[in-house]
This record gives sequence, C-alpha cells and structure tokens, in this order.
Amino acid sequence: EAGVTQSPTHLIKTRGQQATLRCSPISGHTSVYWYQQALGLGLQFLLWYDEGEERNRGNFPPRFSGRQFPNYSSELNVNALELEDSALYLCASSLNWGWNEQFFGPGTRLTVL
Amino acid sequence: AQSVTQLGSHVSVSEGALVLLRCNYSSSVPPYLFWYVQYPNQGLQLLLKYTSAATLVKGINGFEAEFKKSETSFHLTKPSAHMSDAAEYFCAVLSGGYNKLIFGAGTRLAVHP
Repeated sequence: EAGVTQSPTHLIKTRGQQATLRCSPISGHTSVYWYQQALGLGLQFLLWYDEGEERNRGNFPPRFSGRQFPNYSSELNVNALELEDSALYLCASSLNWGWNEQFFGPGTRLTVL
Repeated sequence: AQSVTQLGSHVSVSEGALVLLRCNYSSSVPPYLFWYVQYPNQGLQLLLKYTSAATLVKGINGFEAEFKKSETSFHLTKPSAHMSDAAEYFCAVLSGGYNKLIFGAGTRLAVHP
C-alpha cells in the first residue's frame, strides 16, 4: 500500500511569491492535515481537511490556505511568501476523523530567499 | 488546553544501553498519545500509540511506552539501543474534536559505539 506522497520535494521561492504544495493521501483516507516544521518553532498544526471541507486551522495568517479535491488529494497555498515561511511542510492523512492515527508523508522543504 | 512537554532536547546513549525518552502531557480529557520518530530529511513515522486500552504499549523497532495517569507521563523506552535508533523523537497528544496533533519540542537521540 502506497503511503502519503508529497510534491515537490524541494521548493525555492523569493519573498512575495506564491508557493503551492501538493499531497496525496493513503488510499481510503479522507482526512488530510498540514503541519509546518520550522527551525526553532517545532511542529505546528496548519490545516485539516475532510470530505472536501476545511474543518480546522491553526494559528496561521490567511495567506496560508488550501483545498481538498474530490479524490481527497490536497494542496497548500502560501501567498506573499516571507522569509520565516521557510520550513518543512508535512502532510498527513487518516481514516475519516476521530481518534485515528495520522500517517505522514516525507514533506516538502520550502526555502524562501 | 492540551500540551506536551518532552524533557531533554538531546539524549546520548551507548549502543546496547537503555533508551529512556521522557514525555509529560496535560489534558482535561482522557488523552490519545503518540510517539513518532523522524530520521534526517524524512517525514514522521508512527512508533506507537495509546488509545485508553492497555497502559503498556508496544511499538515498532523494540520500543514501548507506559501510560501513567497519576504522573501524566508517557515515557518511551527501549532496552537496548542500536545505532539505527539515532533520530529525533516526538511525543504528541491528539486534540479531540479538532483532530490536530499537538507535538512536544522533540528529543534528539544520539547513539554512540
């Protein structure tokens, strides 16, 4: 069974640009989560999507947004990039919602210059 | 609010020695707790989870953790460290209803010959 996949592996942008990160969940999983792992800030919850709807978001500005497609894949968009957005962005998926463990992808390393 | 505290950002052990990584949680409801491992430049891999069944939980790669409600702890142990155990370990609590994982700051485990 294929795990969670993310693309691209690395992404380099300059300040003010937009970044789009993509995630494909494990087959059968309907919930997708995004986390940011920034140096010195640890792992922080960004967004949760389930059945195409945004269910919860973390303490991030509105320029962090995303969506979930009918096939349950998801993309994360970061507008007006700032230097501090440089981080590893991890996507996870789980079976619907509730007390199900989350399985993580390998991440996308975003570097903002 | 739920939170997780990992005591010791760096732990160093000899190969073959006991591994003990400490995690304390704060939760007003029965918690669902997880330990994840992150190898360099990779995503998170689930080691084990506690979901209110047995208090001693066995995971992959010889790791186990014991849930102690009286001490609000969920420490991770392994009887004999292997060089391949060198990685960063994260303890997390699931924020029910919001489906987000709240992570500790992580403990970097070094294993020396």
